[in-house]
Amino acid sequence: DAGITQSPRHKVTETGTPVTLRCHQTENHRYMYWYRQDPGHGLRLIHYSYGVKDTDKGEVSDGYSVSRSKTEDFLLTLESATSSQTSVYFCAISEGQNIGGYTFGSGTRLTVV
Amino acid sequence: GESVGLHLPTLSVQEGDNSIINCAYSNSASDYFIWYKQESGKGPQFIIDIRSNMDKRQGQRVTVLLNKTVKHLSLQIAATQPGDSAVYFCAETDTGRRALTFGSGTRLQVQP
Repeated sequence: DAGITQSPRHKVTETGTPVTLRCHQTENHRYMYWYRQDPGHGLRLIHYSYGVKDTDKGEVSDGYSVSRSKTEDFLLTLESATSSQTSVYFCAISEGQNIGGYTFGSGTRLTVV
Repeated sequence: GESVGLHLPTLSVQEGDNSIINCAYSNSASDYFIWYKQESGKGPQFIIDIRSNMDKRQGQRVTVLLNKTVKHLSLQIAATQPGDSAVYFCAETDTGRRALTFGSGTRLQVQP
């Protein structure tokens, strides 16, 4: 979507390796989110950020860490990838808390083998 | 873009008919609700939102109905078109939470 990009779009990695996914926005929005999408579970929140260096955990945060050193970038790191982390990862941004919904990126398909 | 092969309930309608997609939520404190559309290979897209002080809101060809008594949300799509074929998610939150919680989704298939 315009204003938010995710990279890489696809990645295959081996179990036990670290992986970092990047979300970049050009909208100067304060809030950024990482969700994962799996069959039967819909979208589940991993971590979110409400400002530079301000982050908090979501419902499925185990095995993931995040960093936000500047407004435009929100990084999701899998410290040691496991097969259960094979998923599609979506980043989202919002201008305000509970205002106007989120704008989502196009997603990253991650496969851990 | 990406999507997943979700094992979802499916609603199949004829082109031109009206569609109604339903969503139940469990948190009685939820006060903000959104419907999203996800097309194959793309991220979810905002359709319409509603706050708990309303029970109905209309957009272009879409209407959202909120029944707080039974914690039920519905999305009505008028004159459904092939381009409406997608997965539809409801999402909700309240002032005590910083993020949206999503439902598991419904797949809408429009038959020509």
